[in-house]
This record gives sequence, structure tokens and C-alpha cells, in this order.
Amino acid sequence: GQQLNQSPQSMFIQEGEDVSMNCTSSSIFNTWLWYKQDPGEGPVLLIALYKAGELTSNGRLTAQFGITRKDSFLNISASIPSDVGIYFCAGYNAGGTSYGKLTFGQGTILTVHP
Amino acid sequence: DAGITQSPRHKVTETGTPVTLRCHQTENHRYMYWYRQDPGHGLRLIHYSYGVKDTDKGEVSDGYSVSRSKTEDFLLTLESATSSQTSVYFCAISGTVGGPYEQYFGPGTRLTVT
Repeated sequence: GQQLNQSPQSMFIQEGEDVSMNCTSSSIFNTWLWYKQDPGEGPVLLIALYKAGELTSNGRLTAQFGITRKDSFLNISASIPSDVGIYFCAGYNAGGTSYGKLTFGQGTILTVHP
Repeated sequence: DAGITQSPRHKVTETGTPVTLRCHQTENHRYMYWYRQDPGHGLRLIHYSYGVKDTDKGEVSDGYSVSRSKTEDFLLTLESATSSQTSVYFCAISGTVGGPYEQYFGPGTRLTVT
């Protein structure tokens, strides 16, 4: 089946630094999504991308839908302590038996030191 | 926040006992999903529903069954719980016009099978 490789697996940064993470796939996706999960809670949708090359921002977060449709990137600028959590990418491909199903990356654990 | 609740939020049960987890939504969304989250595995789809009485298997469906008798409720049943089913279970919903890709997650149920 489809798999997403998300990297890095974990990051330890200082408050104020910028963060970059990415997700790559061997398959094409029609939609890319980025989620954040705080400890003890469910994932929360941050950004959804619908078109190859699309660049979308949500506050200090910016995500891009790769031109090849096989990758996506998430950047966080000027990190703050509340950015701590696990960030997941997810891809969606509305075809055949995949309809309705998201494929998730393994997650990037972000730690921000004050 | 999407109107999704899960019950119970925490449960400890013994091997071999049946367990039912409930997901309830107030958003009238068509699609509902059950995931499990384990360290090193990210989010894995167990079962999903694309309408009342319409369900399908995900990637880790063995040992689980689901039912959806009305739009707002999606039940996950472990017929005979095993220790390997100790996990955090998340329900998600989606129903965006044009596609079920933007999924919104509930708060999770932590299940421990002893």
C-alpha cells in the first residue's frame, strides 16, 4: 500500500528558530494535509493543500504541495514553546479503494527549548 | 472544534472481554473513521463508514468490528480484547463538500488490556 516517509522523526530547537519538515511518497496524492497533536489530545488539522505547487499559510505555519505531487513541506517560523507536539502529514488520493482514506506519515516530534 | 466526543476516555479491561468504544458527532458528517495510535506506527485506520450501515475495513481491521446505525454514532467493538489491542483509539469525521479528505479527530480513548 501507499506509504509516507516523514522526516525528521524528531527535532530539538531553541525558541525563536525556524523549523522545516517534509513528507515524501512513492505515490501521487491529490491532497496533502498537515496535523498537529498535543500530548493527550487528538490531531488538529493545520493546513490542507489541494493543488500541486500550492503554498498556503496559517499564521507562522507555511505548507507547500510539491510539484511532483509526491511530497509536501511544512515550515514553522519563529518557534514558540506552544509549538511543541507531534506533526503529521497525510495524503489523500480519491481513487479506487482508497476513497475516503488518508495515509499518514509517522510524525515529527518537535521539542522547543525556551 | 468539530463536535466529536468519544466514550469512554479511559478504559482498563482484561484479556478476553468484549469492549465497545463509542464515537458521537453533532456535525452531521457523512464519513466516520476509527484509528489506533501506537508508538512508532503513527495513525493506522481500523474501519471507516461512508454512511449509515455502510462500513469498510482499514489496514488493521483484524479483531475489530464496527457498526453505524445512525449518522451521529460509530461504534468500535473488540469482540475479545487482547493485549496487542492496548492502544489509543481515535475517531475522526469528515464530510467536506467535494470529498472526505479533511478529517477532524476526537479526543481519543486510551484502552489498556491486561
